[in-house]
Amino acid sequence: GDSVTQMEGPVTLSEEAFLTINCTYTATGYPSLFWYVQYPGEGLQLLLKATKADDKGSNKGFEATYRKETTSFHLEKGSVQVSDSAVYFCALSDREGAQKLVFGQGTRLTINP
Amino acid sequence: GAGVSQSPSNKVTEKGKDVELRCDPISGHTALYWYRQSLGQGLEFLIYFQGNSAPDKSGLPSDRFSAERTGGSVSTLTIQRTQQEDSAVYLCASSFRGRDRTYEQYFGPGTRLTVT
Repeated sequence: GDSVTQMEGPVTLSEEAFLTINCTYTATGYPSLFWYVQYPGEGLQLLLKATKADDKGSNKGFEATYRKETTSFHLEKGSVQVSDSAVYFCALSDREGAQKLVFGQGTRLTINP
Repeated sequence: GAGVSQSPSNKVTEKGKDVELRCDPISGHTALYWYRQSLGQGLEFLIYFQGNSAPDKSGLPSDRFSAERTGGSVSTLTIQRTQQEDSAVYLCASSFRGRDRTYEQYFGPGTRLTVT
């Protein structure tokens, strides 16, 4: 079945550092790709998405590009802030049918001032 | 506008008891999903409702789990004869089909279930 693999955490960075969280996927079809974020004590929120190859999703300074050739959707941010501390989940869904989300295991990110 | 709401926020129950978890989706969203978030298994899909179609129950872990959606809106997830391995956070999400044909899912805050 479909699956998502994220880099293992936890990840700890200093404020203003460059962030990359790796995500690769395996899918039988041509999925849509997502990054969700879970801030401490809050629910899951959609951070960004991409629905076709070479699309770049972006939001709040975060970016991820749908790379079909490498089956990857790595999350990047040029300068992280303390407020970015959260758990980040990469996910995919089929483009038809139920479009249920298949999640990676999550990466806990801590930004120190 | 109002987001997805779930109740109760926390539920502690004894092993063997039945529990009901409720989800109120965003008004107008036609699709509703249940997921489970646990330490050992991460985030797992449980069940999906879309309009009047038969639900996709492919993620339910056992026949002790069931769900219904009344009037195309509120949904209830029922776990019968709870076991300790059922302890998890149960998340509900609702969505609508966007112009790009993607269902963008909006999640509720979850119900933390603890089985003692």
